[in-house]
Amino acid sequence: DADVTQTPRNRITKTGKRIMLECSQTKGHDRMYWYRQDPGLGLRLIYYSFDVKDINKGEISDGYSVSRQAQAKFSLSLESAIPNQTALYFCATSDLLRINEQFFGPGTRLTVL
Amino acid sequence: AQSVTQPDIHITVSEGASLELRCNYSYGATPYLFWYVQSPGQGLQLLLKYFSGDTLVQGIKGFEAEFKRSQSSFNLRKPSVHWSDAAEYFCAVGLYGNKLVFGAGTILRVKS
Repeated sequence: DADVTQTPRNRITKTGKRIMLECSQTKGHDRMYWYRQDPGLGLRLIYYSFDVKDINKGEISDGYSVSRQAQAKFSLSLESAIPNQTALYFCATSDLLRINEQFFGPGTRLTVL
Repeated sequence: AQSVTQPDIHITVSEGASLELRCNYSYGATPYLFWYVQSPGQGLQLLLKYFSGDTLVQGIKGFEAEFKRSQSSFNLRKPSVHWSDAAEYFCAVGLYGNKLVFGAGTILRVKS
């Protein structure tokens, strides 16, 4: 079984729709992250959370929100999707004791028409 | 600001040939450095990491990387490339607070 899972794996939606991407992990890690990947830009950090009560904005948080429902669950929402949010989205986790080493889910490919 | 530069967007090598992927970083303190690989349709997998000590680090799948402080570089190498190494490779620097900054990636193509 995968340690970090993301649902859905693929999603096509329309401009203006609300959409939620979900991430679950069985690694027991406290820290969770959301990134988006765009060709030629690498991965950019959207939001991160160090525990259930801690949420922090990353480099590109505008247009996104997150919810940390439990230690193992971290969801990313697009309140009103727009076409330039079309991208590959990754969830990642890390452990306080393994500095900076992050473990990634398989990604969600989101297309906004 | 911290940044990571991967100068090569695409690299093509013949199977069996050696490989070097370049990575340069800009960071004020001693960096934590990483190389990740992303195979088509997959998430990112950690190849190797450098925290301190020996500047030549060994990773999985026969990869190694050398940290050169004077050049602010952390280049990834493999002596003999296999067709299964075709993927996108990302260099990253670790920041305080367990965050990572990624380079733009290098796409490796392997020709037979």
